Amino acid sequence: EADIYQTPRYLVIGTGKKITLECSQTMGHDKMYWYQQDPGMELHLIHYSYGVNSTEKGDLSSESTVSRIRTEHFPLTLESARPSHTSQYLCASSSDPGQGSYGYTFGSGTRLTVV
Amino acid sequence: EDQVTQSPEALRLQEGESSSLNCSYTVSGLRGLFWYRQDPGKGPEFLFTLYSAGEEKEKERLKATLTKKESFLHITAPKPEDSATYLCAVQARTGGFKTIFGAGTRLFVKA
Repeated sequence: EADIYQTPRYLVIGTGKKITLECSQTMGHDKMYWYQQDPGMELHLIHYSYGVNSTEKGDLSSESTVSRIRTEHFPLTLESARPSHTSQYLCASSSDPGQGSYGYTFGSGTRLTVV
Repeated sequence: EDQVTQSPEALRLQEGESSSLNCSYTVSGLRGLFWYRQDPGKGPEFLFTLYSAGEEKEKERLKATLTKKESFLHITAPKPEDSATYLCAVQARTGGFKTIFGAGTRLFVKA
């Protein structure tokens, strides 16, 4: 069973609209991440958080923003969607090293299309 | 710069035909190397973590091994349900907990 939930699964939206992609996890993980993945390509880190009120930009330049007000919730917002934002967005969380394998648990993703 | 390269890009096998996937990496101090499985339209599913050269992990028909420069994912007697994209990823000790992913190997197993 997935312990990390992303909504919506699919979204088609017009250029210039503001959108928020939701991500929630029930595992109590401090560390959460947003990755962007185009078909057949690597996952690229766009934002991460190591705890409440802690957020950082990743390696891939992004026009999105994130917030971490609660441990379980890590939403991603695009203020003004553009066709170049069309992609799959994956949310993940992880435990600390020493707490098991600390591999990432991923959500099912949000496939965003901006027209 | 930390980097992960996977080969081949795609691999087609007959059911029962064993093979290996390769992951070459460069990282400034390895904290962990990870293997994931990704099915179409889904998020990656965690398979293994390897920490140091010489380590091996097994799960059903899959076995992951690690050297100082590369990792292999061996698939023994694959079945059609093993068809998926297999992703390799690394974390550096100095990179916080950020993970760098390879582009993956798409595995097709025909019955």
